[in-house]
Amino acid sequence: AIVLNQSPSSIVASQGEKVTITCRASSSISSNYLHWYQQKPGAFPKLVIYSTSYRASGIPSRFSGSGSGTSYSFTISRVEAEDVATYYCQQGSSNPLTFGSGTKLEIK
Amino acid sequence: EVQLQESGPGLVKPSQSLSLTCSVTGYSITSNYWGWIRKFPGNKMEWMGYISYSGSTSYNPSLKSRISITRDTSKNQFFLQLNSVTTEDTATYYCARRGLSGVMDAWGQGASVTVSS
Repeated sequence: AIVLNQSPSSIVASQGEKVTITCRASSSISSNYLHWYQQKPGAFPKLVIYSTSYRASGIPSRFSGSGSGTSYSFTISRVEAEDVATYYCQQGSSNPLTFGSGTKLEIK
Repeated sequence: EVQLQESGPGLVKPSQSLSLTCSVTGYSITSNYWGWIRKFPGNKMEWMGYISYSGSTSYNPSLKSRISITRDTSKNQFFLQLNSVTTEDTATYYCARRGLSGVMDAWGQGASVTVSS
């Protein structure tokens, strides 16, 4: 199974700050198969970025993603209070599909 | 717009079977792939398996001997059965539509299941 090492496990940021989450895969993944989800407290996971860098429908432009091979990143350019959530990377390249361990974003 | 909704018992006794239903509206389950994912206390997410548009299945090897995913196309529902559960199967269970590239682009609200005597 492909293991996704996601870091950091938690972030405390101020509104307007830039935050970046990294996701490193134990084997190379095509960029088409790396996705990011946002899960707000008490809600279901929501697709934010698919295929490394494409924003899902309705996702604000402050969210972005990049990467290739085994190293991927997810960035919120200017954090807003509504972005408080846990963020997960996920690979769809090979079964079993796997998720990163999650990054909890809090606002100062 | 596709919508998914999980249903089933919230409490299951150890050694028994966990059974959940995912009801899909706005999209036919005879297209795409439909899967189950669970989130454990402490945030770990685990993909459990999926059933395809044709009815074929794929399971996480960690569960392969205990899991079964089936469907009823007439009701546009698919089902999860997990046998011989233990307290370690306590989790929130989500059904989701799996699209191209393995992306889960639509999710249910989740069903919290506790395994306890």
